[in-house]
Amino acid sequence: EVQLLESGGGLVQPGGSLRLSCAASGFTFSNYAMTWVRQAPGKGLEWVSAIINSGGSTYYADSVKGRFTISRDNSKNTLYLQMNSLRAEDTAVYYCAKGTKAVTGTSYFDYWGQGTLVTVSS
Amino acid sequence: EIVLTQSPATLSLSPGERATLSCRASQSVSTYLAWYQQKPGQAPRLLIYDASNRATGIPARFSGSGSGTDFTLTISSLEPEDFAVYYCQQRTTWPQFGPGTKVDIK
Repeated sequence: EVQLLESGGGLVQPGGSLRLSCAASGFTFSNYAMTWVRQAPGKGLEWVSAIINSGGSTYYADSVKGRFTISRDNSKNTLYLQMNSLRAEDTAVYYCAKGTKAVTGTSYFDYWGQGTLVTVSS
Repeated sequence: EIVLTQSPATLSLSPGERATLSCRASQSVSTYLAWYQQKPGQAPRLLIYDASNRATGIPARFSGSGSGTDFTLTISSLEPEDFAVYYCQQRTTWPQFGPGTKVDIK
């Protein structure tokens, strides 16, 4: 059974940093691209970032480019999102999701974690 | 940038009725379109990919159609568990989601 378990969310002040993790199991992690999608309270889904299976290429939405860094450790089956210079508008539930393809920054997402809430507020 | 619009914003129907949801792209996305279902407090679930292919374990009452700029998700006969928000997503450039259609109980 595929499982994705996010952690690392919480309350952070504007300008602060946070690192999210997503532990994957039930599939060959190194064979698939992974992504982060966020959802602000009461709003729709917004793609944030993606990384191909090897970690060799990464992709970002314009709204987070230069502030967020996606990475993965295939030996630990874990996906990360380092978030710096956080703003109030980054407040959202952050989901990690498994891509349906390996070597592309854009795909569909067939498995999702339960999400972790990031709140940026003073 | 491709913009996805979904209509209607809200669809009020009764169990057993047919639901027809629309997703329109500002430029062609070929058949690179997916549909997701999201219930309150839950993560999205992939229903349809490549416009018309049901994902693993998705009931046959869900079907997708369309190509280019106009797409439709049809639920042939609504079950109580189908009342949720539905999002379309294109993957031609970067992943982008539509604003969603809420299907609620009439």
